[in-house]
Amino acid sequence: EVRLVESGGGLVQPGGSLRLSCAASGFTFSTYGMSWVRQAPGKGLEWVASMNQDGSQTYYVDSVKGRFTISRDNAKNSLHLQMTSLRAEDTAVYYCVRDEGGQSVWWNNWFDPWGQGTLVPVSS
Amino acid sequence: DIVMTQSPDSLAVSLGGMATINCKSSRSLLYINNKNYLAWYQQKPGQPPKVLISWASTRESGVPDRFSGSGSGTDFTLSISNLQAEDVALYFCQQYYSTPRTFGQGTKLEIK
Repeated sequence: EVRLVESGGGLVQPGGSLRLSCAASGFTFSTYGMSWVRQAPGKGLEWVASMNQDGSQTYYVDSVKGRFTISRDNAKNSLHLQMTSLRAEDTAVYYCVRDEGGQSVWWNNWFDPWGQGTLVPVSS
Repeated sequence: DIVMTQSPDSLAVSLGGMATINCKSSRSLLYINNKNYLAWYQQKPGQPPKVLISWASTRESGVPDRFSGSGSGTDFTLSISNLQAEDVALYFCQQYYSTPRTFGQGTKLEIK
């Protein structure tokens, strides 16, 4: 069974930092691009960041560029999101997702499956 | 960025009835390979989204055939026939034609 399990969420003050992790199992992790997608409470979905299979390429939504860093450890089947200079508008459930579709162009893939998500409230 | 707009924002349908959700993109999602780069997701309360349909009309494995996707270019539809109680959820469309990958705002489906 393909599983993605996030951890590391929690209350953080504005300007603070947090590192999210995602443990992957049930598939060959190193052969898939991976992404983070977030959902603000009661709101829609927003793609945040992606990384290609070998970790050599990263991509970010404009609003987090320079503040968030996506990384992966293929030996440990894990994905991470280092978040710094956090703002109230970063408050959301953060989902670890696999890029599905097998397309060579990294954005030409949909998201499947999704982890259960980890909540990151940014508040003083 | 490609803007995805869903309609309606919410709808209530009777058990056994048909639900129709529309999704309009600000740019064509039809590529030169004649594929539409659009997916539909279902998010039940307290759960993460789950993909139902990719390539605008290809049902994912295990998805009941009551769910069907149609459309091309900029206009797409998710249809749910013989509505069941377990279909109560938020439904999102998402384009993967260009970066950033963007989602519609969601449509809340309830039982009438």
